Order: sequence, then C-alpha cells, then structure tokens
Amino acid sequence: DAGITQSPRHKVTETGTPVTLRCHQTENHRYMYWYRQDPGHGLRLIHYSYGVKDTDKGEVSDGYSVSRSKTEDFLLTLESATSSQTSVYFCAISEGQQNEQFFGPGTRLTVL
Amino acid sequence: KNQVEQSPQSLIILEGKNCTLQCNYTVSPFSNLRWYKQDTGRGPVSLTIMTFSENTKSNGRYTATLDADTKQSSLHITASQLSDSASYICVVSRSVGNTGGFKTIFGAGTRLFVKA
Repeated sequence: DAGITQSPRHKVTETGTPVTLRCHQTENHRYMYWYRQDPGHGLRLIHYSYGVKDTDKGEVSDGYSVSRSKTEDFLLTLESATSSQTSVYFCAISEGQQNEQFFGPGTRLTVL
Repeated sequence: KNQVEQSPQSLIILEGKNCTLQCNYTVSPFSNLRWYKQDTGRGPVSLTIMTFSENTKSNGRYTATLDADTKQSSLHITASQLSDSASYICVVSRSVGNTGGFKTIFGAGTRLFVKA
C-alpha cells in the first residue's frame, strides 16, 4: 500500500449523528479523493482535493463535506448521517489528475 | 452519457484456466483506460494503463487490450491462480474543459472466483 491510511476502519452509527472519516497519506501527493462503493455500482466520487484548502464536488456530494488543512490529511464529514450513506468509503491519492490513483484500505460505515 | 460497462458481472473458473473480462465504454473525449484489481476487503490496485495509441499492455499473467475505435477493452488472465479471485474494475478517464482537467469513470467490476 502506498502510504495511505484510513480511520476508523469500521464504524456503526445512528441516523442523524455527525460522522468524520479521516484519510492520511505519507506520499505528499497533490490530489486526494473520497469515493463510496456500493454493490452493483462502480466507485463513485464524493469530493476531491487538488491542494490544501482546494476542494471540489464529485458526482455524489450531497450530504457530505470535506476539508483539507494539511497536504497529508483529507477529512470526509457526514453532517447528519442517513441510512442511505451506509457504504464502504475509500480514500485515494494521486500525483496528478491523470496519474494512477492509489487507494486506502477502506472504511465500512453502517448507519442504523 | 459517459459510462463504463463491464461483463460478465461474475465469473467462476477452475484454477489453471484462462479467462477474458470485457469492458465497453462511451466516455469521450478518451484519455486513458486502466484495469484495477480489488481483493475482498481492500482498495483497488492498478494492473495496467493504456492510452489511445496503445492496443495491448501486459503485466505478468494479465494482458489488457484496447480497441479505441469500437470503445472496447478486455483483460485476459492466463493460467489462473487462486489468488486471482477478486473484482476487476475497468476505469476510463476523459479530459474536461480547456484547463487540463480530467474525470475518471469507474465500471461496476467483474467478480472473478477461481476454484481449486
């Protein structure tokens, strides 16, 4: 694995509670991404970052926010978790937008 | 609409046999195509990448082909091993706008089971 960690690896929470997932990299890559993966769907981009404090929305950004205050950390926040946000969340990093993306181990989130 | 479709959804083969996975895409303008392998419980890992001008790329027992005219790609696995059991994801990137941006579209993957 290319120096990417995600925390927590598993989380169970209740509807309406806020949740923050953390992605940490040691590769000094410029781009960081948050995806969700659900059965029958490909990985879907939630948000991505192209630098410190520079972020943009992906295709499924509703209900999610992100922050990147340091090159190495990219946080994903569910302001008020819903059952539809039960999923496996993957963080990825890349040097440039066209370069290979390296994925973290994933976080399994269950919203009851 | 920019889409990536993979077939079959799942496949079961015996150890030692060969198999071919398919990927059809409607992504435009095309930039590159990657195949990723995703083991259960782990993040995807890149196997191959091909640009418009490349029509084949190998990585050990994995060989990817690309036909940019028909917008089709295949991943051929030779002499399968139990460790090949995984999901294989086709990923196509397209250029966006005039500022050098790119977007990446993921297929839903093919789940391969290799049996002893």
